[in-house]
Amino acid sequence: SQQGEEDPQALSIQEGENATMNCSYKTSINNLQWYRQNSGRGLVHLILIRSNEREKHSGRLRVTLDTSKKSSSLLITASRAADTASYFCATDNQAGTALIFGKGTTLSVSS
Amino acid sequence: DAGVIQSPRHEVTEMGQEVTLRCKPISGHNSLFWYRQTMMRGLELLIYFNNNVPIDDSGMPEDRFSAKMPNASFSTLKIQPSEPRDSAVYFCASSTGTGIQETQYFGPGTRLLVL
Repeated sequence: SQQGEEDPQALSIQEGENATMNCSYKTSINNLQWYRQNSGRGLVHLILIRSNEREKHSGRLRVTLDTSKKSSSLLITASRAADTASYFCATDNQAGTALIFGKGTTLSVSS
Repeated sequence: DAGVIQSPRHEVTEMGQEVTLRCKPISGHNSLFWYRQTMMRGLELLIYFNNNVPIDDSGMPEDRFSAKMPNASFSTLKIQPSEPRDSAVYFCASSTGTGIQETQYFGPGTRLLVL
């Protein structure tokens, strides 16, 4: 089944640094979404980027999408300790009936 | 808005027992999703309802799992009989439209432990 694969699996940075996470997928998509999950909580939607968009911003978040390479990246600028969480990309399956989530990138931001 | 509500938040049961997980979606949302999250397999979609009708249940592991959505404000996921390998966090999510092109809003999850 189609699935986003995040890279790296884990990332540790200092407060104030930028964090970049990547997502690769296998087949064509209609859109790609990024979610965050704090420990012990449900997922929270961050941003949705459609297949005809190349870049999208939301506050300190910047998402890019390269459909030719079947990849997306999530950049968090000026990271804070509160950004510590797992980050997942999700793509629609070929039938367009479901979102398929990757295994996630665990980000740790230390102060 | 209270968000997606799930109950119970934690459930510990013994192998062979029936387990029922409950979900109340956000009012006005017409799509509801049940997911299971484990360390080994990540987040897996179990079943997806649109306008109370099951659309895709291909993720339901086996006949021991069943899900219902009798009305727009309530859904259940039942496991009968439960097995230790069912231990996981089960999430319910809801959205407008089909939920594929829109944001999905997740509940806090039910942490299930089957002994």
